[in-house]
Formats: sequence, structure tokens, C-alpha cells
Amino acid sequence: DTGVSQDPRHKITKRGQNVTFRCDPISEHNRLYWYRQTLGQGPEFLTYFQNEAQLEKSRLLSDRFSAERPKGSFSTLEIQRTEQGDSAMYLCASSRGGTLNTGELFFGEGSRLTVL
Amino acid sequence: DQQVKQNSPSLSVQEGRISILNCDYTNSMFDYFLWYKKYPAEGPTFLISISSIKDKNEDGRFTVFLNKSAKHLSLHIVPSQPGDSAVYFCAASVVIQGAQKLVFGQGTRLTINP
Repeated sequence: DTGVSQDPRHKITKRGQNVTFRCDPISEHNRLYWYRQTLGQGPEFLTYFQNEAQLEKSRLLSDRFSAERPKGSFSTLEIQRTEQGDSAMYLCASSRGGTLNTGELFFGEGSRLTVL
Repeated sequence: DQQVKQNSPSLSVQEGRISILNCDYTNSMFDYFLWYKKYPAEGPTFLISISSIKDKNEDGRFTVFLNKSAKHLSLHIVPSQPGDSAVYFCAASVVIQGAQKLVFGQGTRLTINP
């Protein structure tokens, strides 16, 4: 399967703990996105990488959140000192940049975080 | 500031009939509009898109209509099938400071009744 893969699929943690999610994009895609989805809402943009450069961060991404994409391949999203409000589905997506880009993103299956 | 809105949280349609899902937007800078379909415990999957310079795009049973003057788009599914039951998200593409991203609506849960 050559789609976007995310790990773990589900993480249950206690408030105050740190969690890290990993995303492996489609191999030829240079753009990688993190989105967050809560119940009854659409995905909300968190951050965006073009190759290894993080080009934009949403104001939703507090100081407790950090994302990296070393070497422009896989990406990690770390949440420090988790709070119950962080409970959500964290979605990773990738795309191939270019002048004919329609904006279509290819999403992974998501990592569901539950903070107790 | 919700730039993309889907005002109907749910829609129920008889199998074989037409399903019409609606979406409104506020930002005139959006260059593409997309529809995604999502099943439970899966990520969204791309369905169909339309450029902001077009007013219609058709792909099999799916047609998207864009009314720029009203800042409104709709997805028509005909005929509707039980496998179409899912949550549908409208999304709009925008480039801000060199970064292209999608802005999503809240979603509409479509249920196709046999």
C-alpha cells in the first residue's frame, strides 16, 4: 500500500503526558500537512511542510505542539503536557506541488487521541 | 471565522433518488473547490473538484456546480446508492504567503435509505 500512513491509529493517555504521532506521506509528495478534526467539525489546518521546511503554523498550534519533518520525508507531531481539549483525530495529508495543483490532498487514516 | 460552511448537518435520501449537498463560502480568493467523502474510522478521500473559473464539473454519478456570484457550490449524486452513505466535506483551496492549504466545512452526513 503506497498511501499516507499514520501511527499509532489510536492513543489513550493521561492528562499531562506527552504524545507523538508519526506520518509517512506518499513517497513522491513534497508537501505534508497536519490537520485536526473534532466531533461534528471538519478538519482544521494545523501546519504545513514543503520538503523539510515548515512554512505555516495555525494559531491553533499552541506552544505545546511541535511538528518536524527531518530530511523532507516522514513527519512527527508532538503534543507536550496533553490536556483533555487535545482529544481529537489528528490527520496527516500529503500532496505533490506544482503549477497545476488543484489543492487535492491525500489523507491518512488518522491518529485518534483520547486524553483522560 | 468560518470561511466554508455546510449548513445541513445531515441529509436522508431514498436509494435511486438524487442527493444534493450544499456549501457556502466567503473568501473570493479560493481557487479550487473540492468534495471529500469520509467513512467512520477512515481519513477523508477525494471525490471531485472544480476550478473557480468553471461552473460545472461532472464525473460519473457526481456533479459539482459552482455559483460564484452567490459564493455557493453543490454536489449532486444521482442515482444515490447505499454505499454513498458517509460524511461529505466541502473544501476550498487557497494560497496564503506561498502555502497552499484546504479550508473545510463542517460536513454533512448523508444517509441513503434502501
